[in-house]
Amino acid sequence: SQQGEEDPQALSIQEGENATMNCSYKTSINNLQWYRQNSGRGLVHLILIRSNEREKHSGRLRVTLDTSKKSSSLLITASRAADTASYFCAGGGTYKYIFGTGTRLKVLA
Amino acid sequence: EAEVAQSPRYKITEKSQAVAFWCDPISGHATLYWYRQILGQGPELLVQFQDESVVDDSQLPKDRFSAERLKGVDSTLKIQPAELGDSAMYLCASSFVGQNTGELFFGEGSRLTVL
Repeated sequence: SQQGEEDPQALSIQEGENATMNCSYKTSINNLQWYRQNSGRGLVHLILIRSNEREKHSGRLRVTLDTSKKSSSLLITASRAADTASYFCAGGGTYKYIFGTGTRLKVLA
Repeated sequence: EAEVAQSPRYKITEKSQAVAFWCDPISGHATLYWYRQILGQGPELLVQFQDESVVDDSQLPKDRFSAERLKGVDSTLKIQPAELGDSAMYLCASSFVGQNTGELFFGEGSRLTVL
């Protein structure tokens, strides 16, 4: 069973534009993580935000978390062709993570 | 840089055959996860180990799937007999207990095709 849903399911933008993805989850969490997956590869950790945090930045990434709405968003600024990938949120306890359904991002050069 | 090793990378088999996947986590990582990812979907947790103990296998189809981590290091996931619906990517991940960062480190996965 999936923890939640990412929205949109697919997103296509031009290089240099910003990309925003949203994630909704079902149960209470200790933290929420975002991962990137290039086609046919494993997942790579991007950023983690704890349940007592509201916003976090890492390079071109900005993550927000709203525990009252059980939702999170991932913003990628100044997107590049290399950002083309699927993005997943994963919520859960400290050592158990349940992934969402993913957003497929395509950045056009 | 330490990595999670998985093999085989690709496996094609006929239904009713037995299949096994192997995973070697990053050294020192006590927690090991097996996920199944169907094309176009997110990873679904099959089983989670803490050292050699199973802490969650609620989504593991136990009539045909088995997983073990005998010495608390590497792990094997077995499917017997394989069914057409088992075609998927099988991902192994590990994390370091106590660090509390919660970051999962994934291997490149084993893609299974059942004919």
